Amino acid sequence: AQTVTQSQPEMSVQEAETVTLSCTYDTSESDYYLFWYKQPPSRQMILVIRQEAYKQQNATENRFSVNFQKAAKSFSLKISDSQLGDAAMYFCAYSGRRGGSQGNLIFGKGTKLSVKP
Amino acid sequence: DTGVSQNPRHKITKRGQNVTFRCDPISEHNRLYWYRQTLGQGPEFLTYFQNEAQLEKSRLLSDRFSAERPKGSFSTLEIQRTEQGDSAMYLCASSSAGTHEQYFGPGTRLTVT
Repeated sequence: AQTVTQSQPEMSVQEAETVTLSCTYDTSESDYYLFWYKQPPSRQMILVIRQEAYKQQNATENRFSVNFQKAAKSFSLKISDSQLGDAAMYFCAYSGRRGGSQGNLIFGKGTKLSVKP
Repeated sequence: DTGVSQNPRHKITKRGQNVTFRCDPISEHNRLYWYRQTLGQGPEFLTYFQNEAQLEKSRLLSDRFSAERPKGSFSTLEIQRTEQGDSAMYLCASSSAGTHEQYFGPGTRLTVT
């Protein structure tokens, strides 16, 4: 069974600085998707960025980028120029492309990010 | 607003009562998912529809839980004989086939007293 592990329950960053959130996963599949979702307090889950396993190039979305290390099964999120609005729970998620895991997301437990002004 | 909507946003019920939640996905999305999220945890998958067909169910979905998606549009999640352990946020998400990008609704927070 696939698992997703986020080893940092909480992180803090100074406004305008850079922070990296860690995520590792376990799977026997070779083809899959990885995602980072953001969940602000009392607000809905928002997709931040996605990575397809067959693509070697790391995904980037404005201030958000990932470091995808397929062999190490590592998928970290880097937030550059942190803003107060980045404060939220961040969830790493996995989705297989075939078989019984196709479709549903498997989430980690999340990392709570605080941004200090 | 063309995002995923869920109703009600909050539901308080007494143990033993039945509750039903509704999810309206993004109109062009044919896939619909239900998740449950408890405090301090990531969402856990419950079930998944492609159009009107329920294609996958988690072992978390006990026989007290039932989900439907008639006509492949909105979906309902019913919990019968609620228990205190059912207290959680119930999230709905939708996606287009082939994209694997799921868009979430605001959730329904259930409190069982």
